[in-house]
Amino acid sequence: DAGVIQSPRHEVTEMGQEVTLRCKPISGHNSLFWYRQTMMRGLELLIYFNNNVPIDDSGMPEDRFSAKMPNASFSTLKIQPSEPRDSAVYFCASSFGDRAGEKLFFGSGTQLSVL
Amino acid sequence: SQQGEEDPQALSIQEGENATMNCSYKTSINNLQWYRQNSGRGLVHLILIRSNEREKHSGRLRVTLDTSKKSSSLLITASRAADTASYFCATDAIQGAQKLVFGQGTRLTINP
Repeated sequence: DAGVIQSPRHEVTEMGQEVTLRCKPISGHNSLFWYRQTMMRGLELLIYFNNNVPIDDSGMPEDRFSAKMPNASFSTLKIQPSEPRDSAVYFCASSFGDRAGEKLFFGSGTQLSVL
Repeated sequence: SQQGEEDPQALSIQEGENATMNCSYKTSINNLQWYRQNSGRGLVHLILIRSNEREKHSGRLRVTLDTSKKSSSLLITASRAADTASYFCATDAIQGAQKLVFGQGTRLTINP
């Protein structure tokens, strides 16, 4: 079991550029989550998919953020245009089940720095 | 606002001692989970305890849940240097948005 795979591991970009983060959930898991972690705000849920359908995107900060899950094995989180305040560690997690409160398996995260 | 809040924010003990971390939450829950995060890594699930359970064990870990006080504790016995990490509780509330809400974490340092 390869676990949840995220890429890239680190991303450094300039303000205004588009950033795309990628995630491959654990095979067989039907729920996928994007979290953001900062020192100030801790771990925040951005969006949650169940069976490839977005269920709760209330945590997406603004329209600059978008997420897709075109199939059960791939998801992207896009920021366009990026801003320095988007600098954070972005985690993808997956789980099995139809509720968002079950055991989560996290990827190693993408450390994003927007200059 | 955060559903779960850990206490203390930081804890430093000697190797071999026991470490206790606490979590308080505000609303009724389906379950409460504890996760560990090593520096620069993703979170790793430790234990899930459901609202109808009072205590759960896993190796050197013991978790208690008191729903009347809306609190939980994580005990690590016979601590090791490798236990140095941040520990987070996460709650699955019965009402409201269905999602795991994480606390701010307790930073645990085990001194050799």
